Amino acid sequence: GAVVSQHPSWVICKSGTSVKIECRSLDFQATTMFWYRQFPKQSLMLMATSNEGSKATYEQGVEKDKFLINHASLTLSTLTVTSAHPEDSSFYICSAPSDRVGNNEQFFGPGTRLTVL
Amino acid sequence: AQSVTQLGSHVSVSEGALVLLRCNYSSSVPPYLFWYVQYPNQGLQLLLKYTSAATLVKGINGFEAEFKKSETSFHLTKPSAHMSDAAEYFCAAGGGYQKVTFGIGTKLQVIP
Repeated sequence: GAVVSQHPSWVICKSGTSVKIECRSLDFQATTMFWYRQFPKQSLMLMATSNEGSKATYEQGVEKDKFLINHASLTLSTLTVTSAHPEDSSFYICSAPSDRVGNNEQFFGPGTRLTVL
Repeated sequence: AQSVTQLGSHVSVSEGALVLLRCNYSSSVPPYLFWYVQYPNQGLQLLLKYTSAATLVKGINGFEAEFKKSETSFHLTKPSAHMSDAAEYFCAAGGGYQKVTFGIGTKLQVIP
């Protein structure tokens, strides 16, 4: 199956700094990617939809100026958490839909654990 | 908007016993449905998916799920639990270029 990678797998940063998380589709093209967030002992919630060549769309309640998304190419989307605070500590997971016609699966990355001190 | 309800945030079964994890969906049309498993500090692994081709879907690791439109359900089962099945399981609806809506998750504990 198709593979989605994320880098880094974990990151610890100080409050007030910015952190960039990369999401790559390794063997297929992804004009759309999704960013989810999972707080401890909770489910995954969609944060935003990343679109290659256009602005990302954010879910209600997600600050677009805090969570900057750049879909730089057909295989790469980045999420930058700006001025991170402890409440941003979470597990961030990206996904990309299959580029095969008729395949409705989304492929999920392994996730990035962000800890803000 | 579609929603996914998982009944039981924690389920405990004895090793060798039947596993039944419940999932109900709410949607105006039958959605694409998925079951994912997540081990601690790891990403999601697809167990199986429903795409309207067959109502009984077989997945990996001996799991299967049956789509019942009349009950708007997509329960996950496995005849005999193994210790390695202990994990968190998420039922989800959506997919493709649409957002995936996840249930709250069910943590499965397998008792030796």
